[in-house]
Amino acid sequence: DSGVTQTPKHLITATGQRVTLRCSPRSGDLSVYWYQQSLDQGLQFLIQYYNGEERAKGNILERFSAQQFPDLHSELNLSSLELGDSALYFCASSAGGLGAEAFFGQGTRLTVV
Amino acid sequence: QKEVEQDPGPLSVPEGAIVSLNCTYSNSAFQYFMWYRQYSRKGPELLMYTYSSGNKEDGRFTAQVDKSSKYISLFIRDSQPSDSATYLCAMKTGANSKLTFGKGITLSVRP
Repeated sequence: DSGVTQTPKHLITATGQRVTLRCSPRSGDLSVYWYQQSLDQGLQFLIQYYNGEERAKGNILERFSAQQFPDLHSELNLSSLELGDSALYFCASSAGGLGAEAFFGQGTRLTVV
Repeated sequence: QKEVEQDPGPLSVPEGAIVSLNCTYSNSAFQYFMWYRQYSRKGPELLMYTYSSGNKEDGRFTAQVDKSSKYISLFIRDSQPSDSATYLCAMKTGANSKLTFGKGITLSVRP
């Protein structure tokens, strides 16, 4: 168990809908990263938060947004969903110090129908 | 050209074999190198983590980094059926920066 908790584990929703994915980082970890994993693209970085502030952005669509709350949990919001958004979404956390390792949650499998 | 290229798979070996997994990269700013193992329907699990050229050993696993050639490898000795998984190389430029992953290679170890 990595200590990173993601909910829900599975999500099935229709095109055009909006969903929220939740991540609780390991105790004490300040950095949260979101990744998307699809068969053709592999693991792609979406966005990083550090202690409540956005730190870096990757290939995140404008329809997607995220935030990190004062208790350090994070949410990834996906809106106007399309079939192509179906993927595994992973959250990872790290302590934020020099050489800190990133630990991944078990992921949320999103299926858009 | 992708920043990180990983040997395509899948790879199937008999139990007890030595496995060599490889990645090359183009971004010379990468300073930290990792190998993750991912079982089906699970999150990636950190196996090895290095930030210098050379070898690092942990049990049956050895990670090798050659920064001059922009090449990293993971060796698995005495492979076991429980090693059957997808292996992903990953790298980052700074301590707190994002990870850039290879596409992964699926390894199957036959009993």
